[in-house]
Amino acid sequence: AQSVTQPDIHITVSEGASLELRCNYSYGATPYLFWYVQSPGQGLQLLLKYFSGDTLVQGIKGFEAEFKRSQSSFNLRKPSVHWSDAAEYFCAVGAPLDSSYKLIFGSGTRLLVRP
Amino acid sequence: NAGVTQTPKFQVLKTGQSMTLQCAQDMNHEYMSWYRQDPGMGLRLIHYSVGAGITDQGEVPNGYNVSRSTTEDFPLRLLSAAPSQTSVYFCASSTSARNTIYFGEGSWLTVV
Repeated sequence: AQSVTQPDIHITVSEGASLELRCNYSYGATPYLFWYVQSPGQGLQLLLKYFSGDTLVQGIKGFEAEFKRSQSSFNLRKPSVHWSDAAEYFCAVGAPLDSSYKLIFGSGTRLLVRP
Repeated sequence: NAGVTQTPKFQVLKTGQSMTLQCAQDMNHEYMSWYRQDPGMGLRLIHYSVGAGITDQGEVPNGYNVSRSTTEDFPLRLLSAAPSQTSVYFCASSTSARNTIYFGEGSWLTVV
């Protein structure tokens, strides 16, 4: 069955420190991969997406993610976290044919930022 | 440009009542979806539509109905509310040209 695992429920980092959020997926073929961010009381905003090609993907707000096929992972990174990055982050996968409307989401990782 | 607009933002229902969550988008997107978000479970797809007049079930469709009479609107109907339907509901729209899903701000529903 298709699934997405985000093993860390909460992560706390100090402002200015680097960040890595983990995402592993189970999928029959190479899926389309996404990272979304959700601020409290808000909807989800797309940070970045991977379809094919270069396995290191750049997104908005200084985030990047690396697709590793051998590890079925799509980890999100940021070199220096800002207090405004505190939010919940969701990894999602979809099939190339229907990922425009059908996504499978992980359970999310809540990021807390220490001043 | 309003994007994806959901109403109401908050609603409390009694068990057995029915209601409709409204969703409208002004981006002329052909695809629209409804997801529910529960603590510790991420978002799960309820129903989706690939165009006016075309809808299909997602992962958790039971207890919900949808219709898509226009490109802009995609209402979600709860037929007989149950406490298990207490959740945050997100409407989303997208277009195949960009493969980016735009989410509304959510509707918080409590069934007592």
